[in-house]
Amino acid sequence: QQPVQSPQAVILREGEDAVINCSSSKALYSVHWYRQKHGEAPVFLMILLKGGEQKGHDKISASFNEKKQQSSLYLTASQLSYSGTYFCGTEDMAGNMLTFGGGTRLMVKP
Amino acid sequence: KAGVTQTPRYLIKTRGQQVTLSCSPISGHRSVSWYQQTPGQGLQFLFEYFSETQRNKGNFPGRFSGRQFSNSRSEMNVSTLELGDSALYLCASSLLLPGQGVDTQYFGPGTRLTVL
Repeated sequence: QQPVQSPQAVILREGEDAVINCSSSKALYSVHWYRQKHGEAPVFLMILLKGGEQKGHDKISASFNEKKQQSSLYLTASQLSYSGTYFCGTEDMAGNMLTFGGGTRLMVKP
Repeated sequence: KAGVTQTPRYLIKTRGQQVTLSCSPISGHRSVSWYQQTPGQGLQFLFEYFSETQRNKGNFPGRFSGRQFSNSRSEMNVSTLELGDSALYLCASSLLLPGQGVDTQYFGPGTRLTVL
């Protein structure tokens, strides 16, 4: 089953913060976050593993609540370059494949 | 390092035809996954190959198939094309180590398939 992302879309001014959520009905092993700009391929942002290990960027952070099977992506002091569609991909305990959410469209305006 | 390459970038076919798409992974990556992206369904997993073996398959009909060669290059084939197969087909490679789950996916630019 596909994870559910919220919100579906968000508009920000430069410098504002945003939170994107990803919820799954399955027990998760990992959550992956990708950003896709229009006409381009998705680009890796972050992996969060069961057990708390996190990899990613300094200016973009994320959390993984294993009990609730939820992950949140935090974008602070947004920049114009943050615009794009953000996807979470979840790997359940059966493993070895990613199921992507429907995406969150983020637009940052000057 | 060169990124993931996919050929062709654009393709127009008619219903009933078949199509083969190609993907060359990043050098050293042995895992190749294929995804279908459409506005309505989003990003959907098709299948994954590792060391010439299909490790996982998504929920797609048997018309969708793939293979991986000894140099890790991969092809996917769609037979008897339907209008609904129009989509962006993305290939992603990863450096998968034994015992790991899904590693970082490095996506190619995709092949835009239009079925008329």
